[in-house]
Amino acid sequence: DAGVTQSPTHLIKTRGQQVTLRCSPKSGHDTVSWYQQALGQGPQFIFQYYEEEERQRGNFPDRFSGHQFPNYSSELNVNALLLGDSALYLCASSLGGTTNQPQHFGDGTRLSIL
Amino acid sequence: QKEVEQNSGPLSVPEGAIASLNCTYSDRGSQSFFWYRQYSGKSPELIMSIYSNGDKEDGRFTAQLNKASQYVSLLIRDSQPSDSATYLCAVIGGGYGNKLVFGAGTILRVKS
Repeated sequence: DAGVTQSPTHLIKTRGQQVTLRCSPKSGHDTVSWYQQALGQGPQFIFQYYEEEERQRGNFPDRFSGHQFPNYSSELNVNALLLGDSALYLCASSLGGTTNQPQHFGDGTRLSIL
Repeated sequence: QKEVEQNSGPLSVPEGAIASLNCTYSDRGSQSFFWYRQYSGKSPELIMSIYSNGDKEDGRFTAQLNKASQYVSLLIRDSQPSDSATYLCAVIGGGYGNKLVFGAGTILRVKS
């Protein structure tokens, strides 16, 4: 049973560039949430996708956008990268949209901005 | 006031002891509570979920929830060095949606 998979595992970019991160949910899951985790902090919610629509969004600027595909996989796009965007980006999958089902995390993408 | 608060630690316990990790939350409408374990450089791993007042046991782990006091805890019995990690408390608040709101985590160190 495949868990949540994310790619790439590591990425180095420079300020002003754009990045796309990818996530495939756990088998049987239909909801994908994205989180940003800075060093020494808990994950912060970016947004959630269900039925190919953004269902909920955290306090992140419009530079952060996403997409969900018919096979439930998802992408996170960040434009005009800032030094402060350096973090571990986590994808979590769950079942049933806005329910209280547990969310399971992938291994994350570590993004470094130079 | 932070939405979810945890003591950052580190909490140091000897091998075989009980480790007690605590978490408070501010949203009285919260209904779902989770504990995640995160090893250094890794992603969070779900270890417990709890939805009703009282205790929930799973192996060496016991989660305790008191909604009146807005308090949730995690007990780890017979602590092992492999339990050394950061433990994250996460809450789904009241209202629409099921975003997880995390505390900053408590670092646990189990000494052999």
